[in-house]
Amino acid sequence: SYELTQPLSVSVALGQTARITCGGNNIGNKNVHWYQQKPGQAPVLVIYRDTNRPSGIPERFSGSNSGNTATLTISRAQAGDEADYYCQVWDSSTVVFGGGTKLTVL
Amino acid sequence: QVQLVQSGAEVKKPGASVKVSCKASGYTFTNYYLHWVRQAPGQGLEWMGIINPSGGSTTYAQKFQGRVTMTRDTSTSTVYMELSSLRSEDTAVYYCARVYDSSGQNDYWGQGTLVTVSS
Repeated sequence: SYELTQPLSVSVALGQTARITCGGNNIGNKNVHWYQQKPGQAPVLVIYRDTNRPSGIPERFSGSNSGNTATLTISRAQAGDEADYYCQVWDSSTVVFGGGTKLTVL
Repeated sequence: QVQLVQSGAEVKKPGASVKVSCKASGYTFTNYYLHWVRQAPGQGLEWMGIINPSGGSTTYAQKFQGRVTMTRDTSTSTVYMELSSLRSEDTAVYYCARVYDSSGQNDYWGQGTLVTVSS
């Protein structure tokens, strides 16, 4: 079965740029989606189909996907960005989530 | 506005079954598939399966096949997820989530339903 690998944690200084990776075999050939989840809340879609932002998501959030790695980039990180982030793909009629990355804003 | 409203928390004994509902509003119910996703305490997201509210067809994650049943009631715009033979490891928050298109992204989520399995 397909697997997605994310770092357990990423730290970023306030106002700097955070990059969260999602590794998978030839993931560049798949559509990758990213979710933000804060404690006690349901996940929120922040990037879909690699690079697209839903309405209401700040332009500070961007995505890329190539080769074996997809990346979520958060520019000018704010305290409110501190959360867990999950990547997701649709593979062979099943959905796969990455293990999640805890983003800490210092 | 699109809303997915789930049923309330449940406490079940090992071996029992639980049925969680997810009532959709604010859009045409039969136009969008729905996922069920669960999250054990302190753990990540786990996909359970998908249902097509239009025809009722389902696909389940291999891990849950034989134990999960997803159904829908088009008259009330509600989908259901029933999980049987519960064990302590099934303690989790269960979410329904609308599937926006064939890429599989979930644009709207229910608020989650906590299911606790304990003797």
